[in-house]
Order: sequence, then structure tokens, then C-alpha cells
Amino acid sequence: DAGVTQSPTHLIKTRGQQVTLRCSPKSGHDTVSWYQQALGQGPQFIFQYYEEEERQRGNFPDRFSGHQFPNYSSELNVNALLLGDSALYLCASSLTLDREVHEQYFGPGTRLTVT
Amino acid sequence: AQTVTQSQPEMSVQEAETVTLSCTYDTSENNYYLFWYKQPPSRQMILVIRQEAYKQQNATENRFSVNFQKAAKSFSLKISDSQLGDTAMYFCAFMKIFGNEKLTFGTGTRLTIIP
Repeated sequence: DAGVTQSPTHLIKTRGQQVTLRCSPKSGHDTVSWYQQALGQGPQFIFQYYEEEERQRGNFPDRFSGHQFPNYSSELNVNALLLGDSALYLCASSLTLDREVHEQYFGPGTRLTVT
Repeated sequence: AQTVTQSQPEMSVQEAETVTLSCTYDTSENNYYLFWYKQPPSRQMILVIRQEAYKQQNATENRFSVNFQKAAKSFSLKISDSQLGDTAMYFCAFMKIFGNEKLTFGTGTRLTIIP
């Protein structure tokens, strides 16, 4: 049973560029959440996708956007990159059952460095 | 809004000893989950243990157990017979049960097990 996978593992971008990160959820899961983890900090919630729609959003600017596909995989897009966007980006998948979301399983993350 | 506080940035303990990591949280909610996640150097966030707030009995998972004090809003993790593989960052996290499925994390405790 494949767990949550993310690609790429590492990424280096220049300030002002755009980036797309990808996530495939654990088999059987239908909900994907994205988190940003700055160095030495706990993860911060960016947004969550369910049924191809953004269901919840954290305190992140509109430069951060996402998408969920019919196969439940998801993308995180960040436009106009800033140095402060350098972080580990974590994807977590879960199953929404009876409108409750259950345990979130995390992928290995994508390390984004903005220079 | 919920907040999670971990007041111990770093801890170390000898192999085979017992260690307790502290976590406090602030919420006005009555129904929620609390979690401890482990993040080893490989970066993969792994669920260690979870506690439902409506359950009075403290959760246990093999060598891991929690002390959940709802009135005090305290949720500590005890690791017994610590092993070298327990070396990792440990994050305490909060999740509302209904209407808000994001995880709110603390800043983490870096635990080192000394051989």
C-alpha cells in the first residue's frame, strides 16, 4: 500500500518565479491538506482540498493556490516567489467520512529553496 | 483560534530511560483531537499517538503514553524504555472534530537519545 508521495524532493527557484508541487494521497484517501514548515518551526496549515474544491484555508496570501484532480492527487502552486517562501512543504492525506476528517498521513515533503 | 505551546525546545535522555515531553494548548472548543507526531531527520511526519478529548482514559501505544488533563489543557507524551530510533523532533498538534479539520502544531521539541 503506497503511502503519500510528493514530488519533487528538492527544488531551487529564483525570487519572482512560480513553482508547482505535487502530491499523491495514500490509497483510499480523498482529502489533501498542505502545510508549510519553515526551518525550526512547526508546520503551518495552507489549505485543504476535498471533492476538487478548497474546503479550508489558512492565513496565506493568494499567491498560494492549489488544485485537486479527480484521482484525488493535488498540486500546490506558489506565484511570485519570495525568499520567505523557502521551507519544507508537506502534503497530508486523509479520508473524509460522514463529514468528519480522520487522521492525516504525511508525505516526505518538498524542500523549496528560493534564492 | 487554537494555540499549541511546547515549552521544551530540546531534550536529551539516556537510552532505556523514560522521558516526558510537555504540551499545553488553548481552545474554547469542547470536542477535539490531540496528536503527537514524530519527525525524524528523514522529514517524514509520523503519527505517534492520538487522544480524543471526550475520552477520559489516556491513550497508550506500546512504549508511548499520554497524560491528558482536559481542565488544565495539558497533553504530555511519555516515552518509556527510550531507543536510539526515538531521536527526532516531536510535535504536539490539535484538531477540532467538527467544521475545521486543519492541524494546529506546536513549535516542536527536539529529542536526542544518548547511547
